Amino acid sequence: GQQLNQSPQSMFIQEGEDVSMNCTSSSIFNTWLWYKQDPGEGPVLLIALYKAGELTSNGRLTAQFGITRKDSFLNISASIPSDVGIYFCAGRGAQKLVFGQGTRLTINP
Amino acid sequence: GAVVSQHPSWVICKSGTSVKIECRSLDFQATTMFWYRQFPKQSLMLMATSNEGSKATYEQGVEKDKFLINHASLTLSTLTVTSAHPEDSSFYICSARKRGHSYNEQFFGPGTRLTVL
Repeated sequence: GQQLNQSPQSMFIQEGEDVSMNCTSSSIFNTWLWYKQDPGEGPVLLIALYKAGELTSNGRLTAQFGITRKDSFLNISASIPSDVGIYFCAGRGAQKLVFGQGTRLTINP
Repeated sequence: GAVVSQHPSWVICKSGTSVKIECRSLDFQATTMFWYRQFPKQSLMLMATSNEGSKATYEQGVEKDKFLINHASLTLSTLTVTSAHPEDSSFYICSARKRGHSYNEQFFGPGTRLTVL
C-alpha cells in the first residue's frame, strides 16, 4: 500500500531556532496535509497543499508541495515552547488519508 | 466551527469484555466518519471508513467482526471493540468529513485511550 516516509523522527532544538521536516512517498499524491498532535489529543490541521509546487504559509509555518507530487516539507521559523508536539504529514489517496510516521519536536527553553 | 467529540476519553476494561466508543460531530453533519488506531509513538493507521446508513469499509488486516462500526446518523458513529485483549490497547481516534466537503477536510476527535488488562 501507499507509505509516507517522514524525517526526522525526532528533533531537539533551542527556542528560537528554525525547524524543517519533510515527507517523501513512492506514490503521487494530489493533496498534502500537515497536522500537529499534542499528547492525548487528536491531530489538528496546520496547512493543506493542493497543487504541485505550491508554497503556503500559516503564521510561522511554511509548507511546500513538491513538484514531483511525491514529497512535501514543513518549516517552522523562530520556534516557541508551544510548538512542542508531534507533526504528521498526510497524503490524500483514494478517499482516505495516509499518514507519515511523525516528527516529535522537543524545544529547550 | 467543526467540532468532533469522542466518548469516553479513556477506558480501562478487562480482557474478554466489549467496549463501545462514540464519535459525534457536534455542529455539522458528517456523511463520512473515519476510525484510526494509534499505538504509542506511532502514526495514525486507518481502520475503517463509514458512510452514514451503509456498512463500513475496513482496511486490509482489520477484523470487521472484532471492530464493529455503526454509523446510524449524520452526527454519530460508534466503534465497538469486541472481546478486547491487551493487544487492542491503543489510542483510537475518529474523524469526520462534512457533507459536501472534500476527503481532505477531516476534523479529528480528541481520541479515546483504551487499556485492556
